[in-house]
Amino acid sequence: SQQGEEDPQALSIQEGENATMNCSYKTSINNLQWYRQNSGRGLVHLILIRSNEREKHSGRLRVTLDTSKKSSSLLITASRAADTASYFCAWGFNKFYFGSGTKLNVKP
Amino acid sequence: EAGVTQFPSHSVIEKGQTVTLRCDPISGHDNLYWYRRVMGKEIKFLLHFVKESKQDESGMPNNRFLAERTGGTYSTLKVQPAELEDSGVYFCASSLRAYMNTEAFFGQGTRLTVV
Repeated sequence: SQQGEEDPQALSIQEGENATMNCSYKTSINNLQWYRQNSGRGLVHLILIRSNEREKHSGRLRVTLDTSKKSSSLLITASRAADTASYFCAWGFNKFYFGSGTKLNVKP
Repeated sequence: EAGVTQFPSHSVIEKGQTVTLRCDPISGHDNLYWYRRVMGKEIKFLLHFVKESKQDESGMPNNRFLAERTGGTYSTLKVQPAELEDSGVYFCASSLRAYMNTEAFFGQGTRLTVV
C-alpha cells in the first residue's frame, strides 16, 4: 500500500494545551501538506512543507519534516476548542496520498 | 472567489441504483481530482483530470465508476450500479498546478449512502 500512518488516531486535550500529531509516509515526496477536516465538511489546507525544508511555522502551527525517516509532525500550540477536527497529512510526488488521520478533540 | 463546490452534499440511494456526483472546481484550475473516504478509513485517490483529459485514473475501483469532465470545467462521477461498499464521502479538489507542487483546494464532499 502507498498509504501511510498517522498517530495517534485520536487525541483529547484541554484548551490551552499543545497537540502533536505524527505522520509517516512510504513514498518519495516533493513536499508534504497538512489538511484539517471539520465534521461533515471538506478538507482545508493548513500548511505545505517542501522536501528540502526541515521546519515551518504558520501562526500556532509548527510542522517538521524528516525525509530520512519519512516522517512529519504537526504541532498546534495553545489549542482552542475550535481546533477540534480531524487532521490529515498528504504527500506524494505524482499524486496525493493521505494518512489515516488524527481525530483531535479540544475540551473547553 | 468561489471555492470548489460539490453537489449534492448528501445522497442516499438503494443498491443497484445510479448516482451522479458533480464537482465545480475553482475557475481557471486545470487540475481536478476525485478522492473518497470509505467507512472512516484513509482518503484514497480516485483520478486526476488535466483540463478534460484523464491524467491518472489508477485509483478508480472498478468499471462501475465513470468520471467525465467535458469542456474541462465541471466534472461528474457516476456510480452505476451502486453497491453497499461504495458508501463513503467523495471529495473533489482542484489546483492551479499539478499534484504536490501547489496547494489543492477541496470541496465539502458528497456523503453517499447506499442502502
